Parts: sequence; structure tokens; C-alpha cells
Amino acid sequence: AQTVTQSQPEMSVQEAETVTLSCTYDTSENNYYLFWYKQPPSRQMILVIRQEAYKQQNATENRFSVNFQKAAKSFSLKISDSQLGDTAMYFCAFSGGNAGNMLTFGGGTRLMVKP
Amino acid sequence: GAVVSQHPSWVICKSGTSVKIECRSLDFQATTMFWYRQFPKQSLMLMATSNEGSKATYEQGVEKDKFLINHASLTLSTLTVTSAHPEDSSFYICSARVSNQPQHFGDGTRLSIL
Repeated sequence: AQTVTQSQPEMSVQEAETVTLSCTYDTSENNYYLFWYKQPPSRQMILVIRQEAYKQQNATENRFSVNFQKAAKSFSLKISDSQLGDTAMYFCAFSGGNAGNMLTFGGGTRLMVKP
Repeated sequence: GAVVSQHPSWVICKSGTSVKIECRSLDFQATTMFWYRQFPKQSLMLMATSNEGSKATYEQGVEKDKFLINHASLTLSTLTVTSAHPEDSSFYICSARVSNQPQHFGDGTRLSIL
């Protein structure tokens, strides 16, 4: 079974600054996908970024990038130039086999961006 | 594209009532849909995996007779909470899978049992 751990229940950052959210996971699978989802107060689940385990290059999506350390089973999310709209819960998630398989979520990190 | 519609968005009902939640993929066919449950300030927990035309696969600890899942077509899955009680109050979210692409989530249903 897979486990996903987010060690930071809450974090805050000043607007325009950079923040990094941590995520570690445990799996015996070789082929898997990792995701970061954002859940704003509306509770809609929004896919922020994804990483295929077989790709060494870290994924980036505009202000969002990841630091994927496969050997360490670490998958952190960096948000640059933080904006007030980034305030939300952030969930790290794991999917084994292919990107559409069942997701195992971490406990979440509540991020507050301060003006 | 890839829109998932979940209905209703919020329901309040009396204890003992059965409640049906619908999850529809609007512009694609989903062979697999997933049902998650989220308690306040907690993460999403997978309840069951629903495959079109076959019985749902429930996660350990989820009562099959309590949470009835039907996936009769490639665009619709339903979750029925039978004889709901206050402890069933939660946020229920569905998602739909398209081939090897990431799941697309519905907007969730807030269920409150009085």
C-alpha cells in the first residue's frame, strides 16, 4: 500500500514571496505518478501540477514547480511570486500504474498568502 | 473539456432518509469513476471505485450496503447513502477517469444529516 505524508499542516507566506510545500511518499512500485491538487474554500479540486516517476526532469507550470527526488521519495511544491488567490489547501497525491488510477492523498497543507 | 458535474451540491435531510448523489461526465465517456469522502479539515479518502457495467470496488471499512454505487452508463455514476445518520454528514466528491489522464473532479456534495 502507498502512503503520502505532508508534514506541514499549515504555512503562510507574504504576497510575492516564494514558498515550498513538502511531501514524501512510500511505495514499492516503479511506475507511478505524483500530483499536487489545490482546494480553495469553494472545495473544488484543482490539479496544479503532475510528475511522471520515470521522468527525471522536474515539472513546471508557470509559477508552480516541483522538486522530485525519486530516491528520497520526496515531491515538494514550490510556489513563486505567491498571490492572494493561492490561499487554499494543497494536497499531494500518488497514483500507481497510470495517471488515471485511484489516488492516495496526503493530509494536506493549509497555505495562507498574506498581503 | 473534461467537465464533471456533481448534483446536488448541498443537501440537508432528516436522519433515516436515503440520499442519492449523481456524478456525470458531461463531454466525455468515463469508464471509471471514483467516490471520495472528506471530513472537515481532513484529506480526501477513497470510498470506492466504480466501473461502468460492473460492481463497485469498495475500500476497506466502507459499508457496501450503506453506500450503494451504481454506474449504469459511461457518463453517470450514482452514490446512494441509505438510511443516513448524522455521522454520515460529510463532503462527498466524485471524479472521472479518461484513459491514462488525471482524474477530473466534480465540485462535491455537502451532505448534512439532522
